[in-house]
Amino acid sequence: EVQLEQSGAEVKKPGESLKISCTNSGYSVNNYWLGWVRQMPGKGLEWVALISLVGSDTRVSPSFEGRVTISADHSISTAYLQWSSLRVSDTAMYYCARRPAITASPFDSWGHGTLVTVSS
Amino acid sequence: QSALTQPRSVSGSPGQSVTISCTGTSSDVGRYNSVSWYQQHPGKAPKLIIYDVDKWPSGVPDRFSGSKSGNTASLTISGLQAEDEADYYCCSYAGTYIPYLFGTGTNVAVL
Repeated sequence: EVQLEQSGAEVKKPGESLKISCTNSGYSVNNYWLGWVRQMPGKGLEWVALISLVGSDTRVSPSFEGRVTISADHSISTAYLQWSSLRVSDTAMYYCARRPAITASPFDSWGHGTLVTVSS
Repeated sequence: QSALTQPRSVSGSPGQSVTISCTGTSSDVGRYNSVSWYQQHPGKAPKLIIYDVDKWPSGVPDRFSGSKSGNTASLTISGLQAEDEADYYCCSYAGTYIPYLFGTGTNVAVL
């Protein structure tokens, strides 16, 4: 069974750092990339970033460039999304989702989401 | 690049059909046959229901169908059921640097 297990909810203060994770199991990561999608409270979906689970290729949305860092530990099939200095506006649900390693493929399986709350 | 445009809400009675439009530009929807649709129930993660304009992932009922004409893609739900009440998002490939451009989302209400 395909599983994308995301780390738990976080409550942080503005300016703090954060790293959330998404651990993949039940399928061969060789043929997939992993993406992050943001959903702010009551709002729509926004693509944040994408990473290969076997190589070093990454893509970051121009809207998030410089704000987030995407990384992966291939040995444990885990992808990460990281902030060095959080803002209140980073408050959102963050979903990880996998997509086949073929250009323009859709996200075919999603994690349950990690709620990030940033408040002073 | 701006989000794809969807109607805020559509509604229908059980058994009826509803269609959701998704309008982009010649740089995204109009250029690539890589439009997907996601269903999201309240408090749940999105679920892929259509990909490559009109293809179904395994397990998705064929009551859901997709199409595209020019810069506009559409999702039709036939034989509307109570469980179809959810938010629906379109998504288009828009090139190497913007592989995922989501729509604004549409709430489907079953009356």
